[in-house]
Amino acid sequence: KAGVTQTPRYLIKTRGQQVTLSCSPISGHRSVSWYQQTPGQGLQFLFEYFSETQRNKGNFPGRFSGRQFSNSRSEMNVSTLELGDSALYLCASSLGPGTTLRNTEAFFGQGTRLTVV
Amino acid sequence: AQKITQTQPGMFVQEKEAVTLDCTYDTSDQSYGLFWYKQPSSGEMIFLIYQGSYDEQNATEGRYSLNFQKARKSANLVISASQLGDSAMYFCAMREGQGNNNDMRFGAGTRLTVKP
Repeated sequence: KAGVTQTPRYLIKTRGQQVTLSCSPISGHRSVSWYQQTPGQGLQFLFEYFSETQRNKGNFPGRFSGRQFSNSRSEMNVSTLELGDSALYLCASSLGPGTTLRNTEAFFGQGTRLTVV
Repeated sequence: AQKITQTQPGMFVQEKEAVTLDCTYDTSDQSYGLFWYKQPSSGEMIFLIYQGSYDEQNATEGRYSLNFQKARKSANLVISASQLGDSAMYFCAMREGQGNNNDMRFGAGTRLTVKP
């Protein structure tokens, strides 16, 4: 069973540009969450999608957006990049609601390391 | 408000000894799940162990065990017989409720270094 796949693994962008990151969840998982990880702020929750709907959203500006497709694959987009957006972006998939809490274990991808210059 | 608190930014342990990584949490839900993850330098998050709020027994998975004290709202991870490969970041996380509308929130993490 394939794990969570994130592409690309590494990305370098210039301030002001926009970027799209992709996440393919584990087969059968319908929930996808995104996290931003920086040395100073740790793991910060961005948003969670289930059945193409955003269920939860963290405290990030509107420049951060996402979507989920009918096959559960998800993308996140960051517009007007700032230097502070440099981070490791982690995607996690899980079965989603309607299951036991134990089964809501999140399976993570290897992340996309974004560097903004 | 911070829901998961890990007060130890860094910990050192001698190889083959046991180490406890602290985690306290804040919730008003009766039903919640606590998860521990390991993140090696490669960046991938690896699930280690789970404890449900209604579980009467402390969770164990191989060398990992969870010291769950519900009244104190703490869920400390105990690693026995530390190995050099245990050197990594460790994150405590919680999901509240029945998992229907609640995301998984993480603590700031503890960097564990195992000394030979």
